[in-house]
Amino acid sequence: TQLLEQSPQFLSIQEGENLTVYCNSSSVFSSLQWYRQEPGEGPVLLVTVVTGGEVKKLKRLTFQFGDARKDSSLHITAAQPGDTGLYLCAGAYAGGTSYGKLTFGQGTILTVHP
Amino acid sequence: SAVISQKPSRDICQRGTSLTIQCQVDSQVTMMFWYRQQPGQSLTLIATANQGSEATYESGFVIDKFPISRPNLTFSTLTVSNMSPEDSSIYLCSVVWGLGNQPQHFGDGTRLSIL
Repeated sequence: TQLLEQSPQFLSIQEGENLTVYCNSSSVFSSLQWYRQEPGEGPVLLVTVVTGGEVKKLKRLTFQFGDARKDSSLHITAAQPGDTGLYLCAGAYAGGTSYGKLTFGQGTILTVHP
Repeated sequence: SAVISQKPSRDICQRGTSLTIQCQVDSQVTMMFWYRQQPGQSLTLIATANQGSEATYESGFVIDKFPISRPNLTFSTLTVSNMSPEDSSIYLCSVVWGLGNQPQHFGDGTRLSIL
């Protein structure tokens, strides 16, 4: 069973501050996705990382995949109230009977105060 | 971009009844999944919907309680049977286009409350 430990579970910060969310696992994932979800909506894909050590940037968001493909981080620079939401990491285990399935972290509820 | 439609978006049901949730995609997909989510919490996979065959259920979920159909490459249904208040949750379908390390994309979910 692949498990993803996501931290912190809750994050309440002021506008303009920086933050980092972590996802860690003892298992190797073929890829890892980050999603953001707002109330009343489904999770929306932010990024997919597949290569160990990969870094991707999406405006003020920076995503990193660990060299061993067991961990990932999401860093937000100068957070804005519009960044408020539930952030989810999810690891994909490709191959065999688990093909295509995602293992989700516990989620991080981010609140950015103006 | 492709559209994933879930119906109903929300419902309030009486205990002991059943509700069928539909997931319709406007283009053919490789895989379809059904999840359950408590508000503000993470997602729990219920099953993988297999086209033309029985769904593959995760530990803790059984076909009698959550029958799933997937008659073609663009449509699937999840039925929540003999509902109790513990079934109150958000139910989400997700889809994958293509093969390899392709991500899952989600519908907006069905918010189900059982009285």
